[in-house]
Amino acid sequence: QSVLTQPPSASGTPGQRVTISCSGSGSNIGRNPVNWYQHFPGKAPKLLIYNNDKRPSGVPDRISASKSGTSGSLAISGLQSEDEADYYCAAWDDRLSGYFFGLGTHVIVL
Amino acid sequence: EVQLVESGGGLVKPGGSLKLSCAASGFNFNSYSLNWVRQAPGKGLEWVSSISARSNYVFYGESVKGRFTVSRDNAKDSLFLQMDSLRAEDTAVYYCARVGDPSGYFYYFDYWGQGTLVTVSS
Repeated sequence: QSVLTQPPSASGTPGQRVTISCSGSGSNIGRNPVNWYQHFPGKAPKLLIYNNDKRPSGVPDRISASKSGTSGSLAISGLQSEDEADYYCAAWDDRLSGYFFGLGTHVIVL
Repeated sequence: EVQLVESGGGLVKPGGSLKLSCAASGFNFNSYSLNWVRQAPGKGLEWVSSISARSNYVFYGESVKGRFTVSRDNAKDSLFLQMDSLRAEDTAVYYCARVGDPSGYFYYFDYWGQGTLVTVSS
């Protein structure tokens, strides 16, 4: 298990909006920013969102995220077939002195 | 262009040792914290270790504490991971990753290498 909890899967049809939740605690998301990564098997993970809601250059604005209290959320609007991948939330945990990833959410485009 | 290239992976017997390297280019290496992250077959991403820009702060994940040692050579723009007492559950693709905020205050990984596979098996 991880200190960050994500649903194992999410799905939608092309054009729909998919959201992924990430639940933590006061020592991680409650105190530190949430980050989101996209990962295709066999490839290097890619930073999708940093500091709760910031998009690196090159990430489309149909990708958005937010944080409230000890939870974060990632939204993918206008779902496309190339969005089918694994998505991980992550945050530093002050109590455990480590960086933790959620177990990942596999997004399926139906 | 920022590049991180891992090397040193391979097949090793349980109880054995292996040293991974990560060669960096395209940025001021001695200004950034670096990390190792791994993914075991069929599993998610797991943070392994981090080292600050001047090596004064080092952290390890619970599963590798006491067995793995992270280090860096700022003169050679290189990051290392010495892995001892290896176990079957250490089998994974190992990635090096750069912390995007040079101050280290905000912890996120903006650049990643392609990974190197470590297989621990008899």
